[in-house]
Amino acid sequence: SQQGEEDPQALSIQEGENATMNCSYKTSINNLQWYRQNSGRGLVHLILIRSNEREKHSGRLRVTLDTSKKSSSLLITASRAADTASYFCATPGSGGLTFGKGTHLIIQP
Amino acid sequence: NAGVTQTPKFQVLKTGQSMTLQCAQDMNHEYMSWYRQDPGMGLRLIHYSVGAGITDQGEVPNGYNVSRSTTEDFPLRLLSAAPSQTSVYFCASSYSATRGLNYGYTFGSGTRLTVV
Repeated sequence: SQQGEEDPQALSIQEGENATMNCSYKTSINNLQWYRQNSGRGLVHLILIRSNEREKHSGRLRVTLDTSKKSSSLLITASRAADTASYFCATPGSGGLTFGKGTHLIIQP
Repeated sequence: NAGVTQTPKFQVLKTGQSMTLQCAQDMNHEYMSWYRQDPGMGLRLIHYSVGAGITDQGEVPNGYNVSRSTTEDFPLRLLSAAPSQTSVYFCASSYSATRGLNYGYTFGSGTRLTVV
């Protein structure tokens, strides 16, 4: 069963713009993780935010977590063509991480 | 290069055939897992292992077998392939089950399987 659901399913923006994608989840968590998947490749861990954190930064990435709304957002600033990928949120589940369905991000040159 | 290696990268099977998807890691990770990725479904956990000799079922285990005789290897077996098993399969690992849940996984590059 899906724990996290990303929104939007697809997003197309111009290079240089900021991209924001959201993740909603159902049950209480102790952390939420974001992964990137380039076409035809495996997932790469980007950033993790713990339940006692509200915001976290890593380079051009900014993640927020609102445990009262059970939601998280991933912001990519000053987007580049290389950011074109699918982005997934993941939360701890039974036996392993539970992934959402992903947001497909396309950066137009 | 350290990491998770999956073989083969592509495979076409006929319905009813059997095969084994290989996954190996050289990071001395105790936790290993298999996911399948289908369009519009995200990744779903098939089986996982918290150490050599220990395996357990995930969300979608039917039609798949696993074993973990060594720390390095975690093969996934399809005993009698069905078209519904057409998917992209990913192997993921972490130092331990707990560490993976709290720090993240390392993924292989995937095996794209088509069952006709």
